[in-house]
Amino acid sequence: DAMVIQNPRYQVTQFGKPVTLSCSQTLNHNVMYWYQQKSSQAPKLLFHYYDKDFNNEADTPDNFQSRRPNTSFCFLDIRSPGLGDAAMYLCATSRGDDRGYEQYFGPGTRLTVT
Amino acid sequence: SQQGEEDPQALSIQEGENATMNCSYKTSINNLQWYRQNSGRGLVHLILIRSNEREKHSGRLRVTLDTSKKSSSLLITASRAADTASYFCATDQPYKAAGNKLTFGGGTRVLVKP
Repeated sequence: DAMVIQNPRYQVTQFGKPVTLSCSQTLNHNVMYWYQQKSSQAPKLLFHYYDKDFNNEADTPDNFQSRRPNTSFCFLDIRSPGLGDAAMYLCATSRGDDRGYEQYFGPGTRLTVT
Repeated sequence: SQQGEEDPQALSIQEGENATMNCSYKTSINNLQWYRQNSGRGLVHLILIRSNEREKHSGRLRVTLDTSKKSSSLLITASRAADTASYFCATDQPYKAAGNKLTFGGGTRVLVKP
C-alpha cells in the first residue's frame, strides 16, 4: 500500500505559470518535507513542516511556497517557475522527534518547464 | 551545501560480486542513513546507524561508521541485477523543534551486470 503519494507524477508547466504539486501520506507522521533533486544530483531540502509549524531552509528561493492544510496533505507551490526549476520534487515524511528516524519518500513529481 | 561526499561516483560489477561505497562527511552527526534510489523514482531507506554504533547489518547490507574519521561505508554482498540503483548516504541532525535534517551526499551509481 502506498504510504506517501505524490500527484501528479509528471508535470509540464510554462515558464512563469504557477504550478502546485501535492503530497499525501497515510503514515500519520508529524513531519513532512519537500526536496528538490536535479538531474544526477543529491536531493536538497527546501523546507519542512512539523505539524503546522513551517520551517524554511535559508537558501530556498522565495519562489517556492508550501501549505499544509492538515496532517495528511502538503502542497508545494512554485509561483513563477523558471527553467532552472525543472527537477524531480520529492516529498517525505518522518516521525517527529529528534532521536532520528528514517524518512519515507514518495515516488516524486518530475517537473518540466517549457 | 552537501555534507557528504561519496566515493566512487559510479561502480560497475558483475552479479554475485560485492559492492562497496564510501561516504565522508564534515560535521558531527546524530545518525547516518543510507538510501537507495532506482532511476527516476523516490528514495528508499536502507539502514540508519547511530553515532554510537560502529557496524550494522540488514540482510545483504553491511554499514560501518567511523566517527573519528567522519566516514561510513556501505557493502552490498552477493549483488543482484535488482541492486542496480543510486545509493546515497545522508547525515542526520536534529532540526529545530522536531524532525531531522538529512543532508545527502552526491550518491554512488551502481550497475550490476547479469
